[in-house]
Amino acid sequence: GALVYQYPRRTICKSGTSMRMECQAVGFQATSVAWYRQSPQKTFELIALSTVNSAIKYEQNFTQEKFPISHPNLSFSSMTVLNAYLEDRGLYLCGARTGGYEQYFGPGTRLTVL
Amino acid sequence: GDQVEQSPSALSLHEGTDSALRCNFTTTMRSVQWFRQNSRGSLISLFYLASGTKENGRLKSAFDSKERRYSTLHIRDAQLEDSGTYFCAADETGNYKYVFGAGTRLKVIA
Repeated sequence: GALVYQYPRRTICKSGTSMRMECQAVGFQATSVAWYRQSPQKTFELIALSTVNSAIKYEQNFTQEKFPISHPNLSFSSMTVLNAYLEDRGLYLCGARTGGYEQYFGPGTRLTVL
Repeated sequence: GDQVEQSPSALSLHEGTDSALRCNFTTTMRSVQWFRQNSRGSLISLFYLASGTKENGRLKSAFDSKERRYSTLHIRDAQLEDSGTYFCAADETGNYKYVFGAGTRLKVIA
């Protein structure tokens, strides 16, 4: 079956520091990977969509300078939260899909900023 | 997001009763997924629909095949373990990014 793993599951970082999170697709080719953030008591906001052989597209309010993403192959993606502050806390989800079909989500990385 | 309106925002059900959640889309969507978020925050995929209906046990989902502007999730014979927050997410035709609804917080009471 299609599975998506995320690492770490939980992390704590000091305000102003950076934190890298990883996403791995197993059992299918992740031609596109989307990163989302769920802030406390809110829904999921799309940060960026990465499609193989295309430029990474960031949504409004999210930038490459703040959330650099790497998608080097069809099974792996990583995203870094640079200079994390309180407003960056939340659950970060990675969703991967093959072509235009169902998106499979990982369990998320929960980021706490002190 | 603004493209997906999910209702109701919160719902209490007695065990054994039925209910329906709904997502309206401001534009034509290519597919929709329904999820339940558990207490640890993980999203559990319930249904993926590009059209029509799907059923799994006490859950049934439908996606308007004609105009592709709404989807529903029906819960039959609600049980305590159905409690959680339900989200729909949909992607526009020709656009591979999913937009999530604001969620429905469901509480099933004995």
